[in-house]
Amino acid sequence: EDKVVQSPLSLVVHEGDTVTLNCSYEVTNFRSLLWYKQEKKAPTFLFMLTSSGIEKKSGRLSSILDKKELFSILNITATQTGDSAVYLCAVSLGGGADGLTFGKGTHLIIQP
Amino acid sequence: DAMVIQNPRYQVTQFGKPVTLSCSQTLNHNVMYWYQQKSSQAPKLLFHYYDKDFNNEADTPDNFQSRRPNTSFCFLDIRSPGLGDAAMYLCATSRGAVTGETQYFGPGTRLLVL
Repeated sequence: EDKVVQSPLSLVVHEGDTVTLNCSYEVTNFRSLLWYKQEKKAPTFLFMLTSSGIEKKSGRLSSILDKKELFSILNITATQTGDSAVYLCAVSLGGGADGLTFGKGTHLIIQP
Repeated sequence: DAMVIQNPRYQVTQFGKPVTLSCSQTLNHNVMYWYQQKSSQAPKLLFHYYDKDFNNEADTPDNFQSRRPNTSFCFLDIRSPGLGDAAMYLCATSRGAVTGETQYFGPGTRLLVL
């Protein structure tokens, strides 16, 4: 059974801290790994990763994929209260199943 | 089994000919989403319904419309498909009880525009 596991499930830090969110996966026919930020009901796309070892960066957020060890991390530096959200990791499968398998998410709370 | 169902799995339409994709769910979830996923790209959210409350993403073209006549069904209407609208269209649902809960996806409908 395809599985995406995120850790931690929740995290509380202070503004200015750096956080690292983890996502591991066990799937067949891996195609890509995606990170989303969800503040209310609909997720906002952050990154899509397909190749190992290539860091993707957007402002204070960055992410990298390790296809050998089957995991990805999402880093947020100099956190702000606006970063408070649930961060979802999803894996896109190849073959006939073109949907997404999501992890349960990491609920990140940034305290002032 | 409770699930998210999309029909058809493959849809071929002609340039400019209106097409409707359908999604149904037996999960009794409050929220239903439509995503567009083009080849080698991440799924892009088009819009979502929370119950009957429609939420359109700012950059979703006017050519794309949606209807949700009841809790179980949601439709994606493409009024005048262009060649650039060829993509996989994913429907997803979530309970809507808490932020960030898991979304359950249907198998998708692959749209081909000739």
